[in-house]
Amino acid sequence: NAGVMQNPRHLVRRRGQEARLRCSPMKGHSHVYWYRQLPEEGLKFMVYLQKENIIDESGMPKERFSAEFPKEGPSILRIQQVVRGDSAAYFCASSPLGASYNEQFFGPGTRLTVL
Amino acid sequence: TQLLEQSPQFLSIQEGENLTVYCNSSSVFSSLQWYRQEPGEGPVLLVTVVTGGEVKKLKRLTFQFGDARKDSSLHITAAQPGDTGLYLCAGAPMDSSYKLIFGSGTRLLVRP
Repeated sequence: NAGVMQNPRHLVRRRGQEARLRCSPMKGHSHVYWYRQLPEEGLKFMVYLQKENIIDESGMPKERFSAEFPKEGPSILRIQQVVRGDSAAYFCASSPLGASYNEQFFGPGTRLTVL
Repeated sequence: TQLLEQSPQFLSIQEGENLTVYCNSSSVFSSLQWYRQEPGEGPVLLVTVVTGGEVKKLKRLTFQFGDARKDSSLHITAAQPGDTGLYLCAGAPMDSSYKLIFGSGTRLLVRP
């Protein structure tokens, strides 16, 4: 029984390149969340998605960042024209539909390094 | 902006000692979750507390949610080296319970 899966686990990009981070939620989960963790800091909410819908992207930078959760396939967090400040661990979490309170289960993360 | 203050930030203790980690806020949360994170891995959910005053036990770990649902504590009895790790609390705001607010974490080292 697989948990939340993320790939790649490590990603190195040069400034100006694009980074694509993928997340497959737990089986039966239809809600996906993305968080960012800077070194020695807690996780910060970025975006909440359901299938084909962005519910809340208030934590996402206005430019260069986008997220999607298509009908088929994993959720994608896309960062265009990466800068050094984008270096961080990006975590995806999922939760089931109709949960009485919000328990989120996290993947192992993608560690992005921008050179 | 809702904040969760977690203390202490770092804790180094001897095996067998007891410890308490605190998570405090001026805001009310609909629920509060405790996670443990190992280096290079994602947070692993330990427990969710929902009701004010609620106490939950997980072996040697005791979690408490404050009566007003603004604060929480994690108490570990007779700590073991296997308890070493980063402990994170995360609150679900009343108006947007999906948007977990994380504390900055308590890094625990249990020396054998």
